[in-house]
Amino acid sequence: SQQGEEDPQALSIQEGENATMNCSYKTSINNLQWYRQNSGRGLVHLILIRSNEREKHSGRLRVTLDTSKKSSSLLITASRAADTASYFCATDGMETSGSRLTFGEGTQLTVNP
Amino acid sequence: NAGVMQNPRHLVRRRGQEARLRCSPMKGHSHVYWYRQLPEEGLKFMVYLQKENIIDESGMPKERFSAEFPKEGPSILRIQQVVRGDSAAYFCASTGVRNIQYFGAGTRLSVL
Repeated sequence: SQQGEEDPQALSIQEGENATMNCSYKTSINNLQWYRQNSGRGLVHLILIRSNEREKHSGRLRVTLDTSKKSSSLLITASRAADTASYFCATDGMETSGSRLTFGEGTQLTVNP
Repeated sequence: NAGVMQNPRHLVRRRGQEARLRCSPMKGHSHVYWYRQLPEEGLKFMVYLQKENIIDESGMPKERFSAEFPKEGPSILRIQQVVRGDSAAYFCASTGVRNIQYFGAGTRLSVL
């Protein structure tokens, strides 16, 4: 399977609920990043977590990283309709050149008002 | 606007024509990455360039695709003799500090 797999593939919740998305990867990494993509648009960087970090917060976002399980999770608290988008994890690995990112297939989040 | 600029936003080509996609990185960035995104999929790395150098082109198809980043002007992704399977969104990103990649809005290529 591919490096960087998110689950679930699709998630539908009500406004105000929390949304949790998971990402798994296969090779050793330097950093793991989460990006957001609105339909038909480019990617927006949300948060970066280094391989030696376990948890990071930014506003309503909380990211965890477990390098022993090669997995990460993105939690969005108190979701809003405007959070509706696709969310991708991306890794830059020790085995790849420069900052080349390997993306997962994404989780499509729908927040219903 | 100091963001990553891509043009055109939409490009329509007939099979066999050439497609040229342009990317201007953020001001002060000299590293450019090109990715391709098929519908309902994540982004796939194509090529990594610095000014006048191709650093990593391991994601580029062996034929018909080429990229450059000249000393002056934008980075160009060129697809010769396009086929329907080339239809996709092509994204460019540039990096500053901390390996955070800043993405352009993409070029959506449709091959008829």
